[in-house]
Amino acid sequence: GESVGLHLPTLSVQEGDNSIINCAYSNSASDYFIWYKQESGKGPQFIIDIRSNMDKRQGQRVTVLLNKTVKHLSLQIAATQPGDSAVYFCAENNAQGAQKLVFGQGTRLTINP
Amino acid sequence: DAGVTQSPTHLIKTRGQQVTLRCSPKSGHDTVSWYQQALGQGPQFIFQYYEEEERQRGNFPDRFSGHQFPNYSSELNVNALLLGDSALYLCASSLGQLNQPQHFGDGTRLSIL
Repeated sequence: GESVGLHLPTLSVQEGDNSIINCAYSNSASDYFIWYKQESGKGPQFIIDIRSNMDKRQGQRVTVLLNKTVKHLSLQIAATQPGDSAVYFCAENNAQGAQKLVFGQGTRLTINP
Repeated sequence: DAGVTQSPTHLIKTRGQQVTLRCSPKSGHDTVSWYQQALGQGPQFIFQYYEEEERQRGNFPDRFSGHQFPNYSSELNVNALLLGDSALYLCASSLGQLNQPQHFGDGTRLSIL
């Protein structure tokens, strides 16, 4: 079946350090992936997306890497700030002609001062 | 530019009752998806509406139904509420083409007593 999972449920980093959040997916037919950030009491906020014909995409302080061979996705956040503290979800879109996102359980990122 | 808006923000119901949740998509978006997020979990796809029709459905019973209006806004209806329906209900909007990012509202917190 379809599933998106995360290697680490929690991650704690020092302010100013870089952080890496990992994600494994099981549906090799998935062709689109998104990272979301969710703060307490709010809905998921779009961070960055990547299509399966790419292996890397950069945004402002964030980079997403896609390794289709091992079905692995990662989100790198550079120079973390206190405002980066949140739960991060990766989501995959199945390739069955729909826009059905499958989310993992999430990783809680805590930035220590 | 208004983002996705949902109402109400909180709702308390009792078992067996019915509920209607509302969503206005981000300006320019024509597709609305609904997700259920249990505490500590990632969102789970309920269904998606495009051109006023249900385009895709997740693994939710028929008690969950929806509607999309000509102005692209949408409603989620849940009948015969169960205790297990307590969750955060999220609406996301996007453009109708495949592999477009979905943007979420802050959700409706539904509590069933």
